[in-house]
Amino acid sequence: DIQMTQSPSSLSASVGDRVIITCRASQSISSYLNWYQQKPGKAPKLLIYGALSLQSGVPSRFSGSGSGTDFTLTISSLQPEDFATYYCQQTYTSGLSFGGGTKVEI
Amino acid sequence: EVQLVESGGGLVQPGGSLRLSCAASGFSFSSSWMSWVRQAPGKGLEWVANIKEDGSEKNYVDSVKGRITISRDNAKNSLYLQMNSLKAEDTAVYFCARESSGYFAADYWGQGTLVTVSS
Repeated sequence: DIQMTQSPSSLSASVGDRVIITCRASQSISSYLNWYQQKPGKAPKLLIYGALSLQSGVPSRFSGSGSGTDFTLTISSLQPEDFATYYCQQTYTSGLSFGGGTKVEI
Repeated sequence: EVQLVESGGGLVQPGGSLRLSCAASGFSFSSSWMSWVRQAPGKGLEWVANIKEDGSEKNYVDSVKGRITISRDNAKNSLYLQMNSLKAEDTAVYFCARESSGYFAADYWGQGTLVTVSS
């Protein structure tokens, strides 16, 4: 099974900051990497699919990069509504798996 | 408008069974892979299972193999999760989600249904 490791597990940031979250796969997953945002009590929301493609309706301040085993999610200028938990997910193998999450706090 | 509505959650004793349902509308259900994802209280997301458009392929996380079965009824636009031999560690909110073609990203999610396994 492929293990997904996110870092950091949490971070504190301010409005306007540039935030970078990393996700590492235990083996190569090509570009089969997706990013989600989840707010308390809500279902996750898809932000990025295929490592770098922005989901329809998602603000352009979100971007993804990487391939193989190392990936990043970047928020170029953090907004108040971006305080949430972010998850990466690999869909390269039939046993899909999520990273442990990164909580972005004020 | 795409809608996914889960039902069937509740309190069940260890060793018991429960069947979750997910009613889909607003998209071509029979042309979509579907999945179940769960989240234990205060914990992260865990993918549980997914199923191909026609039900011919099913995949499971190791921790539920042999106890949990995913199925679908395309005529009813419905997805199911039959859970047997439930354990305390199965306690979670269960979400159904549509997997988009290409990268199998979950682009639409239900609101979730809570399953509590406790005596």
